[in-house]
Amino acid sequence: DIQMTQSPSSLSASVGDRVTITCRASQSISSYLNWYQQKPGKAPKLLIYAASSLQSGVPSRFSGSGSGTDFTLTISSLQPEDFATYYCQQSYSTPRTFGQGTRLEIK
Amino acid sequence: QVQLVQSGSELKKPGASVKVSCKASGYTFTSYAMNWVRQAPGQGLEWMGWINTNTGNPTYAQGFTGRFVFSLDTSVSTAYLQISSLKAEDTAVYYCARDFYSSSGLNWFDPWGQGTLVTVSS
Repeated sequence: DIQMTQSPSSLSASVGDRVTITCRASQSISSYLNWYQQKPGKAPKLLIYAASSLQSGVPSRFSGSGSGTDFTLTISSLQPEDFATYYCQQSYSTPRTFGQGTRLEIK
Repeated sequence: QVQLVQSGSELKKPGASVKVSCKASGYTFTSYAMNWVRQAPGQGLEWMGWINTNTGNPTYAQGFTGRFVFSLDTSVSTAYLQISSLKAEDTAVYYCARDFYSSSGLNWFDPWGQGTLVTVSS
């Protein structure tokens, strides 16, 4: 199975900050990497697919990059509605594993 | 619009069974596989497996064989997750999520159902 490791596990930041979350795969997954946002009590929502493609309707302050084993999710200027938990997920092979999540909190 | 609507919360006793439904609308149900994802209280997302909505063939992740069954009723565009012999550790929110495949072969989960909380308690 491909293991997905996110860092950090939690992060405190302020509105307006630039934030980067990292996801590392245990083997190369090309660009088969997706990012989801989950707010408390809600279902996950697709943010970024295929490593760097922005899902329709998602604000342009979100961006993704990387390929192979190392990926990043960047929020260029944090907004109050961005405080949530973020998960990466590989879709290169089954099982479709998720990272453990990064909880983004208000400083 | 494309959406998945799941059945409501369930409270079950240990040893009982539960069947969660996931009704799709806004797209051709049999054109996309359906995934199931578990989220235990305060924990992360765990992929349970998926079902081919064209053939009905399910694939289960390790740890979700035996007591877990994926099924379909294509006449009403609905996928089901049945869990038998429920245990306290099955308490979780269960999500369905459409498996979207692009022409390039890349794929992702979108959209997701709103989730169904299954609580197992005596």
